[in-house]
Amino acid sequence: GIQVEQSPPDLILQEGANSTLRCNFSDSVNNLQWFHQNPWGQLINLFYIPSGTKQNGRLSATTVATERYSLLYISSSQTTDSGVYFCAVERASNYQLIWGAGTKLIIKP
Amino acid sequence: GAGVSQSPSNKVTEKGKDVELRCDPISGHTALYWYRQRLGQGLEFLIYFQGNSAPDKSGLPSDRFSAERTGESVSTLTIQRTQQEDSAVYLCASSAMRGGPHYEPDTQYFGPGTRLTVL
Repeated sequence: GIQVEQSPPDLILQEGANSTLRCNFSDSVNNLQWFHQNPWGQLINLFYIPSGTKQNGRLSATTVATERYSLLYISSSQTTDSGVYFCAVERASNYQLIWGAGTKLIIKP
Repeated sequence: GAGVSQSPSNKVTEKGKDVELRCDPISGHTALYWYRQRLGQGLEFLIYFQGNSAPDKSGLPSDRFSAERTGESVSTLTIQRTQQEDSAVYLCASSAMRGGPHYEPDTQYFGPGTRLTVL
């Protein structure tokens, strides 16, 4: 089945720093989403981005479908950005989301 | 309600007992998903309901797991004869109707999860 790999697995930054999170996937996909899981476990959808670039405030994401990777950029990090960032992809043939293992981000004040 | 709700928020049970987890999706959402998240890991797909179609049960790990959905509302996930490896957070998500002549995946909205601990 399709493999989803995220890097780095852990990231510790000072408040105000910028970061780039990466998601590689092994096969063509119909859908790619980025999620943020806060320290209390709540999952929030950040981007639906099967290709191209999107921006939402301090966050932006780029997916290069032909090269099978996506990047999530966080600028001017805040402590509230802490949590786990997941990439999830959907194969063309069904509705199942296949999830990466996540990047755990800790922003220190 | 405004979002997806799940109950109970925490469940501690003894090995061998049956448990039932509940999910109330966002009103009007026809698609409902169940996932399992083990500690420090990503989500594992369990089952998918879409309207009145037959559910996609391909993610259920064993025949001890089953799920039902009443129309386009509440869903229950049942785990029979629980084992310690069933300990995890069980997450439910819902989304608006998908498919039709132009395929449009839709955003999944997640509930807060049920933390299951099997002793």
